[in-house]
Amino acid sequence: GENVEQHPSTLSVQEGDSAVIKCTYSDSASNYFPWYKQELGKGPQLIIDIRSNVGEKKDQRIAVTLNKTAKHFSLHITETQPEDSAVYFCAAKSSGDKLTFGTGTRLAVRP
Amino acid sequence: EAGVAQSPRYKIIEKRQSVAFWCNPISGHATLYWYQQILGQGPKLLIQFQNNGVVDDSQLPKDRFSAERLKGVDSTLKIQPAKLEDSAVYLCASSSQGGLYSNQPQHFGDGTRLSIL
Repeated sequence: GENVEQHPSTLSVQEGDSAVIKCTYSDSASNYFPWYKQELGKGPQLIIDIRSNVGEKKDQRIAVTLNKTAKHFSLHITETQPEDSAVYFCAAKSSGDKLTFGTGTRLAVRP
Repeated sequence: EAGVAQSPRYKIIEKRQSVAFWCNPISGHATLYWYQQILGQGPKLLIQFQNNGVVDDSQLPKDRFSAERLKGVDSTLKIQPAKLEDSAVYLCASSSQGGLYSNQPQHFGDGTRLSIL
């Protein structure tokens, strides 16, 4: 089955700096890659997603890049704010319509 | 639109007892998922429904876990008997359409936090 690895597990940045989280996947048939933000006591919230026919997607301060050849994708957050502090999960959807999640990155934005 | 509703928010039981969780998906969403999220890990799929039929339950521990989605709307997940390792957050998600090529986003509820004593 699909295996998704996510790095780093924790990330601390100064407010206003950029944050980058990287994920790799194993199943070359995976075709959909969402990113979720999870705050304490809440369910995961979709923040951006990318499909396998696109290399990059941007939504205001958030961008995602996908390298299908290398089987990795990354989340970029620019101009970080304290409210960006949360746990971020990447996921990959492989054959069988199943989402496999990474292990999460705890992002702390220092004021 | 209203999000995915789950209840209860918290549940504490002793091992070997039974427990049930309820989920109401976003209106009109045909596909419903139950995930287990152990502390410090990403969600893991337990079961997926398309309308009222099971699409994937390969990771559901069927000796103790059961789920149903009568009438293709609300769903319940049950654990009987519970074990200590079942302590986790149980998340429900829904999407407008399932299937290999649909790629519709999954929207999550806030989950039920289960503690087993």
